[in-house]
Amino acid sequence: DSGVTQTPKHLITATGQRVTLRCSPRSGDLSVYWYQQSLDQGLQFLIQYYNGEERAKGNILERFSAQQFPDLHSELNLSSLELGDSALYFCASSGELGAGELFFGEGSRLTVL
Amino acid sequence: SQELEQSPQSLIVQEGKNLTINCTSSKTLYGLYWYKQKYGEGLIFLMMLQKGGEEKSHEKITAKLDEKKQQSSLHITASQPSHAGIYLCGADPLKTSYDKVIFGPGTSLSVIP
Repeated sequence: DSGVTQTPKHLITATGQRVTLRCSPRSGDLSVYWYQQSLDQGLQFLIQYYNGEERAKGNILERFSAQQFPDLHSELNLSSLELGDSALYFCASSGELGAGELFFGEGSRLTVL
Repeated sequence: SQELEQSPQSLIVQEGKNLTINCTSSKTLYGLYWYKQKYGEGLIFLMMLQKGGEEKSHEKITAKLDEKKQQSSLHITASQPSHAGIYLCGADPLKTSYDKVIFGPGTSLSVIP
């Protein structure tokens, strides 16, 4: 158990819909990262937050947005969903900047029909 | 942008055999991580290499970093079924205190009892 909690574990929705994925980092961790994993794209970095502030941005679509709240949990919002958004979405956390080791949650599997 | 390649893409070995997985970066490596992922689950941190020539071991897994060649290798000695999974290398492309980690496509390892 990494200590990172993601909900929901599985989600099935239709094209055009909007979903929110939630992540609770390990106790005390200030950094939260979001990744998308699909068979054809591999593990892609989306975005990182540190203590509530956006710190780094990767290949995140404009239809996607994220935020980190004062209690350090984070949410990833996916809107106007397309079939290609079906993937495993991972959240990871780390203790401090430069900590190196990321602790990954079990992921949220999104299926868009 | 920095890209990581891994070879081989997949590997099937008999239990007890040794094996090596390679990770090559298109740009200078400032830090190299190895993670293991069981199918459909989150990633588990194995080790981090920071300096050229550095070598680290954990149980029967050894990783080395060759900064000049922009490569890292992961060697498993006397493989066991518990070693099966997907091995991913990761790197920080910006030398920014390991904030943003990008990953290679992964190497799928199967160990036949």
